[in-house]
Amino acid sequence: DVKVTQSSRYLVKRTGEKVFLECVQDMDHENMFWYRQDPGLGLRLIYFSYDVKMKEKGDIPEGYSVSREKKERFSLILESASTNQTSMYLCASSETGTGLSLHFGNGTRLTVT
Amino acid sequence: GEDVEQSLFLSVREGDSSVINCTYTDSSSTYLYWYKQEPGAGLQLLTYIFSNMDMKQDQRLTVLLNKKDKHLSLRIADTQTGDSAIYFCAESIGDTGRRALTFGSGTRLQVQP
Repeated sequence: DVKVTQSSRYLVKRTGEKVFLECVQDMDHENMFWYRQDPGLGLRLIYFSYDVKMKEKGDIPEGYSVSREKKERFSLILESASTNQTSMYLCASSETGTGLSLHFGNGTRLTVT
Repeated sequence: GEDVEQSLFLSVREGDSSVINCTYTDSSSTYLYWYKQEPGAGLQLLTYIFSNMDMKQDQRLTVLLNKKDKHLSLRIADTQTGDSAIYFCAESIGDTGRRALTFGSGTRLQVQP
């Protein structure tokens, strides 16, 4: 079974802090994704990566950056956390192909105070 | 970005059929997906349909695709309390090799015993 592991289940940070959310997958998948989930808004794509050191902006990249130095790890960085970044963050991975079957981690609930 | 729309809530009685509806906008989507999210967990792929199909059946699940109207539905036969969850439809966007999924807002299915 594919396992996507997010390093923290819950995180509380202060406004202005630099925040790192880490995600690791164990199936040698090329693609990795970061989404945020908010009630009534569903999942919104922040960034994704289709190869090591490659990244693509999603629908809401502002205030975020990402890093993919190794194939198995995809990090989401909040350079200066703000209260409107309080959310559930979901990482996912998939193989490359015409079909996209995403495998999700259990999420990190981030609260910015 | 593309919009995928779903109603937010559906309540059914145990044993009845549930029908969850979705409309999407990108007519070039090759695959359309249904994901399920149980409380406290990430999303899991339930089923998907290739865009040249009208219908796909998988045990209690039936997916119907009306490509002309860009309408997708998920029917769950003999709904059980364990089916209570949030259901997301999704379409794939982007170019080959650089694809991501756009998700709807999710439909919360509540199954009454």
